[in-house]
Formats: sequence, C-alpha cells, structure tokens
Amino acid sequence: DAKTTQPPSMDCAEGRAANLPCNHSTISGNEYVYWYRQIHSQGPQYIIHGLKNNETNEMASLIITEDRKSSTLILPHATLRDTAVYYCIVRGNMEYGNKLVFGAGTILRVKS
Amino acid sequence: SAVISQKPSRDICQRGTSLTIQCQVDSQVTMMFWYRQQPGQSLTLIATANQGSEATYESGFVIDKFPISRPNLTFSTLTVSNMSPEDSSIYLCSGYRGTEAFFGQGTRLTVV
Repeated sequence: DAKTTQPPSMDCAEGRAANLPCNHSTISGNEYVYWYRQIHSQGPQYIIHGLKNNETNEMASLIITEDRKSSTLILPHATLRDTAVYYCIVRGNMEYGNKLVFGAGTILRVKS
Repeated sequence: SAVISQKPSRDICQRGTSLTIQCQVDSQVTMMFWYRQQPGQSLTLIATANQGSEATYESGFVIDKFPISRPNLTFSTLTVSNMSPEDSSIYLCSGYRGTEAFFGQGTRLTVV
C-alpha cells in the first residue's frame, strides 16, 4: 500500500515555482522519499530522492521536514513541459529489494 | 542511467489470445519489475522478475495469467494470457540499479 498522501491536482503559472506537497507520517528511519513524474503516454521519470537532508539537482529541489513526516518537491521555474502526474513514494533501499509502490499522485497543470 | 526498450509499443488483440511483451535493458540492472497501468489510473505492481527462477507475484496477480521470464540480467518477458477486454492497459517494465528505477515507455494493449 502507498504510504503517502498528495493533493489530487494543482495548477501553476508558467515561470513560477511549483511546490508539490507530500505527507508521509508513517515513514520509518531507513526509508527514502522518492519523486517520479509521468508525462502523458510516457513511462515514469525519476526526479529526485532524499533521506533526511534537503536535496537539489538539475530538475528540482526536495525539502524534507525535520521530523520527516512530510516533504515538498520544488520545480523552481515551471514550464508547460512540466505538466505531468507527480508521484511521491516512500520506500526502503532498492538494493535490498524494496519495491516502488505508486499512489495516486498529483496532477500538475502548468498554465501560460 | 539505463535505457529500457519494450516491444511491442502497442497492440490490438482478440479476446482469448495471448501476447508476450519483451523488455530489454541496455545494461545490467539488479532487479526487474512489471507494472500495469489501467486507463486513468496509477501504476500497479504485477510482479518481480527473478533471474533464472519463478517470478514473485503481488496480491491479485497469478502466474497462469501473467507468466514472466527473466533468462539474464538485461532481458525479461511478460505474457498476458487468455486476454479479455479488462486486460486493456499499459504494461510497463522497470529496472533498478543503485538507488534509481528506470522505466520503459510501456506497451499499450487493447483487447477487443
């Protein structure tokens, strides 16, 4: 079962930051927070992941609260091509066979 | 990163027939999985494809309906057997390496 709660949809103006929240109040100490997105008719694409520290890469930033019960994915300058379903997933170390279990995700619509 | 290719990309099949979907990864991955995505829904994990042994199925999925093979570290097949219209979905292959999971573009199956 998915261990995360996300809003079903969000809108964002093109060029503005998109902040996608995720609640994972039952996360355990060795579980990571992963974010994937799925653009229409494509396979899911990895965005970023983190354990307890904030993370940033070329696509996005991940802010994890100190108690690790929630996190926010930030797309700093959203474009129309960022319109997609965004999935927040909590899981253990992949190398130990922990699987990605997808919840419903958040539909992000970037509008001009 | 890893590139995952699936064949066929789409197919229209008659009910009662079977379709085998192939998944090829361009480099070794530690684990391979198969997912189903029904229209308008999130991804549901079907099974873990184990190299050289029987796949591990999630609840609600059985080997007789979805036989899976994984003869080596870079190739797997999923067969959808005795198809009905309810099997119309996108089927996705995924490979894990390190801390990331990579996905194919999916096979869009329509059963008529």
